[in-house]
Amino acid sequence: EPEVTQTPSHQVTQMGQEVILRCVPISNHLYFYWYRQILGQKVEFLVSFYNNEISEKSEIFDDQFSVERPDGSNFTLKIRSTKLEDSAMYFCASSASWTGFNEKLFFGSGTQLSVL
Amino acid sequence: SQQGEEDPQALSIQEGENATMNCSYKTSINNLQWYRQNSGRGLVHLILIRSNEREKHSGRLRVTLDTSKKSSSLLITASRAADTASYFCATDAQINDMRFGAGTRLTVKP
Repeated sequence: EPEVTQTPSHQVTQMGQEVILRCVPISNHLYFYWYRQILGQKVEFLVSFYNNEISEKSEIFDDQFSVERPDGSNFTLKIRSTKLEDSAMYFCASSASWTGFNEKLFFGSGTQLSVL
Repeated sequence: SQQGEEDPQALSIQEGENATMNCSYKTSINNLQWYRQNSGRGLVHLILIRSNEREKHSGRLRVTLDTSKKSSSLLITASRAADTASYFCATDAQINDMRFGAGTRLTVKP
């Protein structure tokens, strides 16, 4: 079964450093998402992306965050200057169409980001 | 913001028993989806119910939706130890911003 892959599985960084989290969505999917989950807490929506543009973003997704589809296969999340509270598991997801059109999300296994 | 909220937060049952989890949401929806998460892993889609549907079945899963009460329930029948996981409902009021609740942590004891 096709799957979403994320790299790295773990990332440790110093506060104030920039990090880039990488994702390869399912190849024929056109809609991409980032979520995060602080340990034991809810899964929080960050951003959705389609046709090289952000389609929705949450209040969490401030100017410190950016997303990019640098080529035909990768989808990245950049955090410009990490804070301690950015420590979380970050999940990438993709879908074949809009979730509002009754499409399901396919999630990767996540990148555990630890900011020291 | 639009999101599902699951209840209870944690549920512990014996193998063979049924598990029922509830979800409430705040505004109108296009559909409601249930996902499962094994510890430390990504979420896996279980079942989707559209806003014009009232009940849906998939194997041992049964989902109901009451749009007048803005609530849904997920029933897992004849539970197994392998069903131990966290279960999340998700909804989107916009077209592409699926939002999740805090989940129900289900423990099935052998």
